[in-house]
Amino acid sequence: GAVVSQHPSRVICKSGTSVKIECRSLDFQATTMFWYRQFPKKSLMLMATSNEGSKATYEQGVEKDKFLINHASLTLSTLTVTSAHPEDSSFYICSASGLAGGPTDTQYFGPGTRLTVL
Amino acid sequence: DAKTTQPPSMDCAEGRAANLPCNHSTISGNEYVYWYRQIHSQGPQYIIHGLKNNETNEMASLIITEDRKSSTLILPHATLRDTAVYYCIVQLAGKSTFGDGTTLTVKP
Repeated sequence: GAVVSQHPSRVICKSGTSVKIECRSLDFQATTMFWYRQFPKKSLMLMATSNEGSKATYEQGVEKDKFLINHASLTLSTLTVTSAHPEDSSFYICSASGLAGGPTDTQYFGPGTRLTVL
Repeated sequence: DAKTTQPPSMDCAEGRAANLPCNHSTISGNEYVYWYRQIHSQGPQYIIHGLKNNETNEMASLIITEDRKSSTLILPHATLRDTAVYYCIVQLAGKSTFGDGTTLTVKP
């Protein structure tokens, strides 16, 4: 149990276009989903926290209008990188929690999406 | 969030126990200690977590000191597939901060 999927696994796009990444919890209802980005040989950096049905909470320095997050259901959250530029190229990873229903729930991570902006 | 400190790298011989330390001296009373690992170019994988007591599951054991200021993750019989970056984090209400982790290399 506790499987999280991401789609697509890899995307290449032209500068100026928008890219949507989906994160799904396949076998549990995720009350909270997190979005991270990771640069090569660096640790995960939390971008935002989203709860189903409410607006996402963004970390300091993360542009809300650049990285649009929607958590419309208990099994799906999406991250849209708007007007992507080469500096947005990164490994984006989502996680979902809510399996046990408590405040210290384990995060279950998706496999990640590698975004390359040309 | 409380910060954690881990050694940047460790080696372990295949078949031997791997003991990965973590310091979390500013942990608060209701924060849990979580361990995840990340194999190259994949999403992190949950390993184990605990609050005060030592914990064991099919993957590993977690030893937390009585004052909760440090912990040790033990992989009892390391295999080559255990080579990964191991992250120790403290977590409250789901939110957590990842440090740089420990790169564990299991050698034949």
